[in-house]
Amino acid sequence: QVQLQESGPGLVKPSETLSLTCTVSGSSISSGYYWGWIRQPPGKGLEWIGSILHSGSTYYSPSLKSRVTISVDTSKNQFSLKLTSVTAADTAIYYCARDGYSSDHWGHGTLVTVSS
Amino acid sequence: QSALTQPPSASGSPGQSVTISCTGTSSDIGVFNYVSWYQQHPGKAPQLIIYEVTKRPSGVPDRFSGSKSGNTASLTVSGLQAEDEADYFCSSYAGSNSFRVFGGGTKLTVL
Repeated sequence: QVQLQESGPGLVKPSETLSLTCTVSGSSISSGYYWGWIRQPPGKGLEWIGSILHSGSTYYSPSLKSRVTISVDTSKNQFSLKLTSVTAADTAIYYCARDGYSSDHWGHGTLVTVSS
Repeated sequence: QSALTQPPSASGSPGQSVTISCTGTSSDIGVFNYVSWYQQHPGKAPQLIIYEVTKRPSGVPDRFSGSKSGNTASLTVSGLQAEDEADYFCSSYAGSNSFRVFGGGTKLTVL
């Protein structure tokens, strides 16, 4: 069974960089799927952030592309998200997911609050 | 503002059917057959219930069905049950530039 688990700081200061890691179990990250990040501001809808293939090919949301980097570590079966220059608008639950044309397995999500 | 448009709310009585719409454009729903739907209960992660417009993942009841016409996709929940009360989100592939877009979500209430 595929399982994903997000990890990282729950509090980030404005203008700093948000960094999260997703650890995948039950599936090799090199298995040919995309692996992605999706976020949800409290009480609001879902926003797709970006995806990465094990080869390193990435796709990013046009609205976040200038601030987002997604990378993969196949040796640890992990992939990571970095979001720079954060503001309060980046406060959200961040989910990692097995991605592609749809997202069929999700992590539980981790709340990241941007505040000084 | 979300890329795909969903009604904010929908409701129905147990046993009834309800349909939730998801309107996009000729750059996403209208041109690709990669519409997916997600169910999200409070405090939980979203769960995939429909992919590629009409397909159901293993374990999803056949009370859930999807369709598409032009730039609009729809999710129909038949034989409403209390546990169907949740938020529902649609998503579509939108080409190599935007890749994926989501709707704003619809809160389904079982009366």
